[in-house]
Amino acid sequence: SAVISQKPSRDICQRGTSLTIQCQVDSQVTMMFWYRQQPGQSLTLIATANQGSEATYESGFVIDKFPISRPNLTFSTLTVSNMSPEDSSIYLCSVDIGADTQYFGPGTRLTVL
Amino acid sequence: QKEVEQDPGPLSVPEGAIVSLNCTYSNSAFQYFMWYRQYSRKGPELLMYTYSSGNKEDGRFTAQVDKSSKYISLFIRDSQPSDSATYLCAMKVEDYKLSFGAGTTVTVRA
Repeated sequence: SAVISQKPSRDICQRGTSLTIQCQVDSQVTMMFWYRQQPGQSLTLIATANQGSEATYESGFVIDKFPISRPNLTFSTLTVSNMSPEDSSIYLCSVDIGADTQYFGPGTRLTVL
Repeated sequence: QKEVEQDPGPLSVPEGAIVSLNCTYSNSAFQYFMWYRQYSRKGPELLMYTYSSGNKEDGRFTAQVDKSSKYISLFIRDSQPSDSATYLCAMKVEDYKLSFGAGTTVTVRA
């Protein structure tokens, strides 16, 4: 298994500002993932982050809006840029352990006013 | 049509009952199947995972996969109020990208 922490756990932000979310894993992992979970909805993959390469974004998500860093094998950040109320969601990072399991962090609850 | 279909419920059962959850899917390439439990305001917690078809049991939880029918199930025996949560099915091929169901909200009444 893996122990994953995220910072901040929650935040309330003003429209037009940016927030950077941190994800820390207790072991080295090749692939990290960022998801969004809008209120009452399931999880939607934003992007996949491999260490040493550019993140791969899913349809509907762009790097200018959600820039991602992956400086080493235990850490990643997701920035939500130029926020609007529609960005209010829970943002989750996850990691693959082996080929068959994926573990999630506790999430960052973002409210944009 | 969504790639993974899951009845969102809500599902309410009395304590001690068997909870039955299921998902159907359309992509026959899926090989890894998982169930997550998510409490309110928390991240998803991995409950069970299975590879290909078959059954897997862990305490009060049993996961079943029927690839021929593209159907997976999770059974919770002797349900407890602490089992009240949203249960998400998820599945993937080998490329690590998970496809999630909508989640089923379960309430176990004391």
